[in-house]
Amino acid sequence: AQSVTQLDSQVPVFEEAPVELRCNYSSSVSVYLFWYVQYPNQGLQLLLKYLSGSTLVKGINGFEAEFNKSQTSFHLRKPSVHISDTAEYFCAVSELQGAQKLVFGQGTRLTINP
Amino acid sequence: ETGVTQSPTHLIKTRGQQVTLRCSSQSGHNTVSWYQQALGQGPQFIFQYYREEENGRGNFPPRFSGLQFPNYSSELNVNALELDDSALYLCASSLERGRAGELFFGEGSRLTVL
Repeated sequence: AQSVTQLDSQVPVFEEAPVELRCNYSSSVSVYLFWYVQYPNQGLQLLLKYLSGSTLVKGINGFEAEFNKSQTSFHLRKPSVHISDTAEYFCAVSELQGAQKLVFGQGTRLTINP
Repeated sequence: ETGVTQSPTHLIKTRGQQVTLRCSSQSGHNTVSWYQQALGQGPQFIFQYYREEENGRGNFPPRFSGLQFPNYSSELNVNALELDDSALYLCASSLERGRAGELFFGEGSRLTVL
């Protein structure tokens, strides 16, 4: 079984500042890793994913994440945030088989202050 | 192409009642997954349907059941509602052999059980 821990429930940052949202996972098998974003009153949207290869993955809206196997982490970063980045962010994992059955973390609410 | 649509968007039920939630998948998608998102939590996998058959189930009791129709739309049924069933129910469609994590989520049905 897999589990995901998002270390911060809320992250407030100022506009144009950098941000890092932390995610650690636990699994006895190899996994795929994902970050999803949920804007208010909307469904989830895939930001980026790590399947294999380069440990630094780039996604939409200027976000990137780095897979660290030894630390079982997959932290999300953006060098300069915008007001429109205000949303809930979810880290998720799936087994390689059944790659569309996701285990989500509890979410991190990112609030951008002007 | 049309996205994933869910109905109703909001509903209120009382404990012990039964509820049916509906989902129309994105055009061309043959797999539907249902997730429960309690307030302040990440989504939890309920089950997945592929070609009208259940294709995996999370840790939910049998009173949570589903259907998938020949047009790949789906229903989630919950019997004997309990207060803890209050949540946002998310439907996601995908291709069974599609790219990992490539799920398309609807905006959800928010269920309140009184």
